[in-house]
Amino acid sequence: DVKVTQSSRYLVKRTGEKVFLECVQDMDHENMFWYRQDPGLGLRLIYFSYDVKMKEKGDIPEGYSVSREKKERFSLILESASTNQTSMYLCASRTTGADNYGYTFGSGTRLTVV
Amino acid sequence: QQQVKQSPQSLIVQKGGISIINCAYENTAFDYFPWYQQFPGKGPALLIAIRPDVSEKKEGRFTISFNKSAKQFSLHIMDSQPGDSATYFCAASLNSGYSTLTFGKGTMLLVSP
Repeated sequence: DVKVTQSSRYLVKRTGEKVFLECVQDMDHENMFWYRQDPGLGLRLIYFSYDVKMKEKGDIPEGYSVSREKKERFSLILESASTNQTSMYLCASRTTGADNYGYTFGSGTRLTVV
Repeated sequence: QQQVKQSPQSLIVQKGGISIINCAYENTAFDYFPWYQQFPGKGPALLIAIRPDVSEKKEGRFTISFNKSAKQFSLHIMDSQPGDSATYFCAASLNSGYSTLTFGKGTMLLVSP
């Protein structure tokens, strides 16, 4: 089974801190994604990457950046954390191969900004 | 602008009953429609998916019904069990490995014993 591992299950950070959320997948998937999940709002796409060094903005990229230096690792960066970035963050990966466009998600990182 | 509308927000069904969750989409170019199941403390997991060349797909107790003309699709859970209690998300995308999924807002299902 594909595994997507997010380095932290829970994080508490202070307003203004620079925060790194790490995600690693072990199945050589080309595509990786960062979503945030908030009650009543579902899953909203922050950034995604089709391959190493590539990145694309999703629907809500403001206040975030990403890094993909290696194929298996996709990092989400909160440049200056704010309380409205308190959320559950989900990483996902997917192959670009035919007939399989479903994502595999990690278990999520619950971030609280105080 | 929300492109996939999901209803209801929450649903309570008795054990053995049928759970029905509905989704509607706007983009007629969408041609891949998955459903995800999420248990508390876990990430969403792919449950079942359909492409618009068929009107129904069944996997065990889970069935997707698809109505292309109405731009609607639904998830039916037959003989619902307490272990089915979870949040369910519908999604849609282009049928391409270079597209992204657009998710509905989710439905919290509780199956009472």
